Formats: sequence, structure tokens, C-alpha cells
Amino acid sequence: TQLLEQSPQFLSIQEGENLTVYCNSSSVFSSLQWYRQEPGEGPVLLVTVVTGGEVKKLKRLTFQFGDARKDSSLHITAAQPGDTGLYLCAGENSGGSNYKLTFGKGTLLTVNP
Amino acid sequence: NAGVMQNPRHLVRRRGQEARLRCSPVKGHSHVYWYRQLPEEGLKFMVYLQKENIIDESGMPKERFSAEFPKEGPSILRIQQVVRGDSAAYFCASSPTGQVTGELFFGEGSRLTVL
Repeated sequence: TQLLEQSPQFLSIQEGENLTVYCNSSSVFSSLQWYRQEPGEGPVLLVTVVTGGEVKKLKRLTFQFGDARKDSSLHITAAQPGDTGLYLCAGENSGGSNYKLTFGKGTLLTVNP
Repeated sequence: NAGVMQNPRHLVRRRGQEARLRCSPVKGHSHVYWYRQLPEEGLKFMVYLQKENIIDESGMPKERFSAEFPKEGPSILRIQQVVRGDSAAYFCASSPTGQVTGELFFGEGSRLTVL
């Protein structure tokens, strides 16, 4: 069974601070996706990383896929209250059933004004 | 959320009743996936359907749960004789092909509470 561990589980910071959240596994994934989920809503896809070592930027968000495609990080620069939410990583299995995403439990981020 | 429509958004049932959750995928998408999110747990894959076919139901409990995606109309996730442990948020997602890389769109979820 492939597992994704996200850390930290909770993070509360002040507006303007930088932060990094992590997504780790002992398994290799063919791709990894990051989602943001707000209370009472469904996950919204932020980015997909496919190549080991890949770095993608989305405004103040920087996503990195580990060289071995087992881990990923999300770095937010100058966090804003609008960044508050549950950040989920999800791995696409490298086997035949690639539609079965494996989700981590998420990092709940609170950005205080 | 890119057009995946789920209803009801909230559903309350007593133990032993039936729950029916509906999902209309993004127009043109023929691949539907159901995931369940238990309190303080990650989303767990339940079932993958194409029109009139169940492709993979390996994540769905063997008893009381069933899913369908008919030729016409929404996909339905049915839970019979609900128990308290079924209380969760159930999310439907769709994709235009069977590939999920960057193409998976989630609905806003149906939150089931079993009293």
C-alpha cells in the first residue's frame, strides 16, 4: 500500500511569513498533484509535477518534486490570509491503476492577518 | 470546481436508512471517480466508472455500497442500511479520459451524517 505523509499537520502563521510544507513517501509515484481544499468545498487542483527534480511556480507558490519522485514540497512566499486552507498532496500510482490517487491527510494552514 | 455537480450537498440519515448521492460530471467527461473523506483522514478512492461500466470498485466496501453511471443521467453512489461509520464527505471527480494527470476535477462533495 502506498502512503503519503504530510507535515506539518497544522500550521498557523502571520501574514507575510514564508512557509514550506512537505509530502513524503517510501513509494515512487509517476506524478504528484497538489490540491487546496477550503471548508465545505472540494479539492481544487493547484499543480501537477511529473518529472523528478521538477520545480513549478504558481505566483507565490513554488512546488518541487523530489529527484526520486517519492516526495514533494510546497513553499509559499509572503503568505496571505487568502492562502488559508487544507493543502493536500496526491500521488498517481506508477502501476496500471494510475487513476487511483493516493492522498495525504493534508496540512491545515491558517494565515492570520 | 470546473462543473462537477453533486447533490445533495448535505444529507442526514438515521441508522438503517438508505443514502443516495448524485454526481453529474463535467460536460463531455465520461470517466467518474468517487472518493470518501472521513473526519481527519485523507481522501480514499472508492470506485471508478465509465458510462454503464464499473471499471474498478476495489476501494468500495463489499456490502451495502453500490455505484452506477448509467447511459443517461448522473452517477449514483448508493449506501444501504447506513451506519454511523458511514458519516463522511463523499466526493465525485471526473476526467475526460482515463488519465488523471492534471485532468481530475472534483465536485464540492456530499456530506453524509448518520444519526
